[in-house]
Amino acid sequence: DTGVSQDPRHKITKRGQNVTFRCDPISEHNRLYWYRQTLGQGPEFLTYFQNEAQLEKSRLLSDRFSAERPKGSFSTLEIQRTEQGDSAMYLCASSPNRGKNTGELFFGEGSRLTVL
Amino acid sequence: GENVEQHPSTLSVQEGDSAVIKCTYSDSASNYFPWYKQELGKGPQLIIDIRSNVGEKKDQRIAVTLNKTAKHFSLHITETQPEDSAVYFCAASTTGTASKLTFGTGTRLQVTL
Repeated sequence: DTGVSQDPRHKITKRGQNVTFRCDPISEHNRLYWYRQTLGQGPEFLTYFQNEAQLEKSRLLSDRFSAERPKGSFSTLEIQRTEQGDSAMYLCASSPNRGKNTGELFFGEGSRLTVL
Repeated sequence: GENVEQHPSTLSVQEGDSAVIKCTYSDSASNYFPWYKQELGKGPQLIIDIRSNVGEKKDQRIAVTLNKTAKHFSLHITETQPEDSAVYFCAASTTGTASKLTFGTGTRLQVTL
């Protein structure tokens, strides 16, 4: 399967703990995005990378959240000192280089976080 | 920032009937409007999109219309089939690409036999 891969698929943690999610985009896609989706809502933009550069961050991304894409390939999203309000599905997506970019985002299946 | 409203939140149709989902957006600078389908336990998948330089686009049983003046766009599914049952999201972007999409709240479509 050469789609976007996310790990873990499910994470249950206690309030105050740190969690990290990993996303492996489709190879050769230089753009990578993180979105958050809560129950019954549409995905909300968090941040996006072009190669290793983080080009935009939403104000939803508080200082407890940090995303990295150190080598321009996989990305990690870390949430420190988790709160119950962080419970959501964290979706990763990728898209190809500008010349091949039709606008389509290719989403992974998401990492569901439950904070107790 | 951009705000996208989507209606209805749930829609039930009989197999073979048509389904219409409507969205409005607030930012007149938005110029890219995709529709995504999300099945249970999966990530959203693009089904069709439209840019602000066209008013309508069709792909087999799916069509999207855009009214820039009124700032609304709609998804039309004809001859619905059970496999069309899913949650559908509209979205808008001001960049012309998908770099920062604002999504609607979704429509749960159920196609009954």
